[in-house]
Amino acid sequence: QQQVKQSPQSLIVQKGGIPIINCAYENTAFDYFPWYQQFPGKGPALLIAIRPDVSEKKEGRFTISFNKSAKQFSLHIMDSQPGDSATYFCAASSGGSYIPTFGRGTSLIVHP
Amino acid sequence: DTAVSQTPKYLVTQMGNDKSIKCEQNLGHDTMYWYKQDSKKFLKIMFSYNNKELIINETVPNRFSPKSPDKAHLNLHINSLELGDSAVYFCASSRNWDTEAFFGQGTRLTVV
Repeated sequence: QQQVKQSPQSLIVQKGGIPIINCAYENTAFDYFPWYQQFPGKGPALLIAIRPDVSEKKEGRFTISFNKSAKQFSLHIMDSQPGDSATYFCAASSGGSYIPTFGRGTSLIVHP
Repeated sequence: DTAVSQTPKYLVTQMGNDKSIKCEQNLGHDTMYWYKQDSKKFLKIMFSYNNKELIINETVPNRFSPKSPDKAHLNLHINSLELGDSAVYFCASSRNWDTEAFFGQGTRLTVV
């Protein structure tokens, strides 16, 4: 199975900090890269997504940076808040494939 | 109205039993999925079902089988349950392979 490698496994920051979560992939056929946020007891929910034709996408406090040549993409959370404490998953899928690949997740804790 | 609903939310059963988890989506999506999330939060795609085409993750034991009575439903049947099947199972749906996937609230399966 194709893999998406996600790091770090866990992350602790103070309120206002900028946590960064990184993902790397091998399959150059991947062309859709979403990030999902999951709170305890809930299903994952889409946070933001990017396609490889752009290098950056911003939605509110969340930014994806994409480096196609390095096959890496990352999530930045600006001015992080305690309410951002959750598990974050990166994912990737390729054209026509209905088997998305998820990273192993990053548990983020934002202290007040 | 819940977009993707799955029942039951909790399921406790003995080894060797056969059980089913139901999933329904009211979004009119063409693609539905089943995921398994283990105790370390790893999300593993098990199946996707798109326009009557079933795509199976080859690592899934054949004790697991999806059944789709219609486009809005994708149920998961599990035969001869094993201790290692204990996990949270998520149903999800999306309009296409490169659009947002909407997840249900999960079914926590415990095999004793």
